[in-house]
Amino acid sequence: EPEVTQTPSHQVTQMGQEVILRCVPISNHLYFYWYRQILGQKVEFLVSFYNNEISEKSEIFDDQFSVERPDGSNFTLKIRSTKLEDSAMYFCASSERLTTEAFFGQGTRLTVV
Amino acid sequence: DQQVKQNSPSLSVQEGRISILNCDYTNSMFDYFLWYKKYPAEGPTFLISISSIKDKNEDGRFTVFLNKSAKHLSLHIVPSQPGDSAVYFCAAIRSTTSGTYKYIFGTGTRLKVLA
Repeated sequence: EPEVTQTPSHQVTQMGQEVILRCVPISNHLYFYWYRQILGQKVEFLVSFYNNEISEKSEIFDDQFSVERPDGSNFTLKIRSTKLEDSAMYFCASSERLTTEAFFGQGTRLTVV
Repeated sequence: DQQVKQNSPSLSVQEGRISILNCDYTNSMFDYFLWYKKYPAEGPTFLISISSIKDKNEDGRFTVFLNKSAKHLSLHIVPSQPGDSAVYFCAAIRSTTSGTYKYIFGTGTRLKVLA
């Protein structure tokens, strides 16, 4: 069964450093998303991406964040200068159409120290 | 502004009985609703969805009911099994006038099915 894969599973970084979280969405999917879940809190929408551009982003997704689909298969989330409060589980998801279910990856646990 | 709310943070049900998970929303412009199940340290897994033009959708042990006038949806699991123990999130898709859209998740309900 096709699945969304994310690497790495766990990333530890120093505050102020840049991190890139990687995702390989399901191959025939056209819509891509990043979400995050701070420990013990709800799953929060960050950004959606379609046709090589951002469709929607939340207030969390500020100038420190960027997304890219560099090669037609990978979908990356970059945080330029990490803060302690960026520590969370980051989930990538993809969906075939706008109103179909999104399939989520296993997540990358980002720990900023 | 919490547009999708799950007011019960946790629920315990005996195996074999019905589990009813509730979700309320405030925005009447939502087009589509979904339920996801999440185990610890895993990504959410899609369970079942319903379009805003329907009031019921059934898939095996899972049934989702939508009451648009009350802005309320519920997930029924019958019969409940210990493997159903997880956190359940409802989610809503909202499209905007500019043609964009957003998934909005509720805060989750932790279901524990007791053997």
